[in-house]
Amino acid sequence: EVQLVESGGGLVQPGGSLRLSCTASGFTFGHYWMSWVRQAPGKGLEWVANIDQDGGGIQYVDSVKGRFTISRDNAKNSLHLQMSGLTDEDTGIYYCARLLVYFDYWGQGAVVTVSS
Amino acid sequence: QSALTQPASVSGSPGQSITISCTGTSNDVGTYNLVSWYRQHPGKAPKLMIYEVTKRPSGVSDRFSGSKSGNTASLTISGLQAEDEADYYCCSHVGSTIYVFGTGTTVTVL
Repeated sequence: EVQLVESGGGLVQPGGSLRLSCTASGFTFGHYWMSWVRQAPGKGLEWVANIDQDGGGIQYVDSVKGRFTISRDNAKNSLHLQMSGLTDEDTGIYYCARLLVYFDYWGQGAVVTVSS
Repeated sequence: QSALTQPASVSGSPGQSITISCTGTSNDVGTYNLVSWYRQHPGKAPKLMIYEVTKRPSGVSDRFSGSKSGNTASLTISGLQAEDEADYYCCSHVGSTIYVFGTGTTVTVL
């Protein structure tokens, strides 16, 4: 059974940093692209970033470029999102998802709250 | 990249059929047959319902079907059931493995 479990969410002050992690199981992690998708409170889904199988191909939504870094550790079946320069617009639930040309499996999400 | 446009809400009675539209541009929906649809119940993670415009993942009811015409994709739910009450989002590939989601549609079963 495919499972994706996010961790690392929490409360952070504006301008601060946070690192999210996603631990995968039930499939060969290193064979798949992975993504982060977020959802602000009461709002819709927003694609944030993708990373290819070996970490050489990475894309970000314009609003996080230069502030967020996606990475992966295939030996540990883990995906990460390092977030810095956080603003209240970054508040929301961050989902880890497996990417084919669609998002076929999703984690339950990590809650990030940016507030003073 | 702007979000794809969906109606804010759609409603129907049990047993009826409803259709949710997803309008993009010639740069996304109109070019790529890579539209997917997701259902999200309150407080839950999204679930894939349709991929590559018309395909259903294993385990998804055949009451769900997808189509596309020009820059607009559509999700049809037939034989509406109480469990279909949820938010629905479309998503399109826009090139270079970049994706854009729709604005979301709340489906209400009357």
